[in-house]
Amino acid sequence: GAGVSQSPSNKVTEKGKDVELRCDPISGHTALYWYRQSLGQGLEFLIYFQGNSAPDKSGLPSDRFSAERTGGSVSTLTIQRTQQEDSAVYLCASSFPSGRAKNIQYFGAGTRLSVL
Amino acid sequence: AQKITQTQPGMFVQEKEAVTLDCTYDTSDQSYGLFWYKQPSSGEMIFLIYQGSYDEQNATEGRYSLNFQKARKSANLVISASQLGDSAMYFCAIRRGPPGGGNKLTFGTGTQLKVEL
Repeated sequence: GAGVSQSPSNKVTEKGKDVELRCDPISGHTALYWYRQSLGQGLEFLIYFQGNSAPDKSGLPSDRFSAERTGGSVSTLTIQRTQQEDSAVYLCASSFPSGRAKNIQYFGAGTRLSVL
Repeated sequence: AQKITQTQPGMFVQEKEAVTLDCTYDTSDQSYGLFWYKQPSSGEMIFLIYQGSYDEQNATEGRYSLNFQKARKSANLVISASQLGDSAMYFCAIRRGPPGGGNKLTFGTGTQLKVEL
C-alpha cells in the first residue's frame, strides 16, 4: 500500500513478556518516528530515525524500550518485560528528510497494546 | 520546551455550519511549524493542514483553514460546511523548524468534534 503500515493492529500480552511492534514507512520517506498515545499521557514522542544518523531516543520512557531500523526502511519497536502502564496505542509516522520546512509526518493506524 | 494548549475537550456543530477549534502554543523558537491532525474512531492520524511561522498568509486546504495569529500564539482550525464525516478527534501540534531543531511533534490534548444533523 501507499501509506504507513503497522503490525499487528492489536496485541494482547501478559505482564513481563516482551513484545515487538513493526512499522513499514511510506516508500521514499527517510525519516521515521514512533509515538505513544495513552489516556493518561496523551500523545508522546518516543524515538526518531533519520537516514543513517544516530536516532533521537530522547522520548523513550525507560531502558525497557528500544527500537531499530534495518536497511533504512522497516522499524521495530521492542518493549521488554512489559508492564501494565505500557498499555497504549503505538503510532508510527514517516516523512521526507528533515530540513524541509513543511515536512509532513504521515501516520499509520497504530498498534493497540494491552498488557494484562 | 514547546507546548500546545487545546481548551475545548468537546465541541458540537450542526451539519453545514462552520466551526472553530482553538489552539494556542508556547515556544521560544523563531522558526516552527504548526499542524492539525484528525483522528477518527479508526485511530489513524490524518494530516489536515500546516502553517509555517514565517508564512504571512493563513493556510487553507479545501474546507480547512488555519487562523494564524502569531502575536497571540494562536493557530485555530476553521472547518467550513461541516459534514457528518468530520466527527473525530482533532489535534494541534507544533514542531521546531529547521535547521537543527529536531523533528518531533508536540501535541495538544485534542478536541472531540461531533457533527449533528
